[in-house]
This record gives sequence, C-alpha cells and structure tokens, in this order.
Amino acid sequence: SAVISQKPSRDICQRGTSLTIQCQVDSQVTMMFWYRQQPGQSLTLIATANQGSEATYESGFVIDKFPISRPNLTFSTLTVSNMSPEDSSIYLCSVERNTEAFFGQGTRLTVV
Amino acid sequence: DQQVKQNSPSLSVQEGRISILNCDYTTSMFDYFLWYKKYPAEGPTFLISISSIKDKNEDGRFTVFLNKSAKHLSLHIVPSQPGDSAVYFCAASPHPGSYGKLTFGQGTILTVHP
Repeated sequence: SAVISQKPSRDICQRGTSLTIQCQVDSQVTMMFWYRQQPGQSLTLIATANQGSEATYESGFVIDKFPISRPNLTFSTLTVSNMSPEDSSIYLCSVERNTEAFFGQGTRLTVV
Repeated sequence: DQQVKQNSPSLSVQEGRISILNCDYTTSMFDYFLWYKKYPAEGPTFLISISSIKDKNEDGRFTVFLNKSAKHLSLHIVPSQPGDSAVYFCAASPHPGSYGKLTFGQGTILTVHP
C-alpha cells in the first residue's frame, strides 16, 4: 500500500484568492495524479505530475488555473487559482503502485 | 460524455444478503477495471480489480464479474455487513496506460441495514 498525506484537509476561501494543496507520499513514486470531486459528482482527473517535467493536463483543465509542482519523487502541490464558488470540491492526490491507485484523504475546499 | 456509468445512485440491502453494484462503460479502450469504496471525509480505498482478459475475480466476500461483450461489470458483496455501507465507485484504466489514470463512475451509495 501507500501512505499519502494531504494538507490542508479542508479550507474555506474567499473568491479571487488561491489555495495550494500539498501531497506527501511515504516513498518515491514516478507519477502522481490530482483528481477533483465536485459535489454529488464522480472523481475527475485533473492532471498527471511527473518529477522533472511539466504536468500533463486533462481536457478542460489548464495550467493557469491549476498549476502543479513536483519538486521530488515524494511530494507534489496543486494550486487552485483565482477561485470561484464553482471550484468548491474535494481535491485528491493519488499515486500508482503495482496495479493499484492509492488516494490521499482529500482536501475539501469551499469557496465563498 | 460519461464513459463509465453507474446508473443506480443508491442501493439498500439487509445485512447478510447479497449486494450487487453495477457499472457500464462505453469504450473498448479500457483494459483494467477497479472498484473503490469511499467513506465520508476519506479518500477512496481500493477493493478489487479485474483485467479484461478475465471474466471473474474473487477476494473474500467481494467478487467482480466482467462481461466484455456487454461492456458491463458488477461487484457482488456476500454476505453484506453494516460496515460495508459507503459509496462505491467503479473505475477504468485505458490500455495501454497508467493504473493511476482512471475514469470513474458517478458512484453508488450502499446502505446495509442490520
């Protein structure tokens, strides 16, 4: 298995501000993934983060809105920029190990 | 366009009986399928998976069945326990692809009554 720690676990933010979410893994992994779960919806992949290269974004997500850093093989951050109420969601980081994906506990973001 | 669909938003089952959760997918590009369980305020936890070369995989009380021709899979939980009450997500991975790059269904809320 993999132990994944996310910070913060929840936050309430003002519209127009930015929030950076941190994800720490207990061992080195090649790829880390960021997902979003909007209220009542499924989990949607935002981007894949590889160490030493730019993140790869899925359709509908852009780097200006969701910049990602991956400074080493155990850590990544996702920033939600210029937030609006529509960004209120649970944000989850994930890592792949063997043939499974493991998830952090998520960051519940409310934008007011 | 939802490529992985769980058409039942909720399911209620009596303790000891069988729970059957269903999932449909629309594209043959998916090669590997997984089920996750999610409790409130926690991340999804892996339950069981199946490769497209198989039609059944068992792990204790959990069995996943895959019908490739129908593009349908199901999760059977026998016997169901109150602790199984959670949201269950079906997920699919592309071929070739990353097991971390998943497409999820909308989830089914399972409630197991004592």
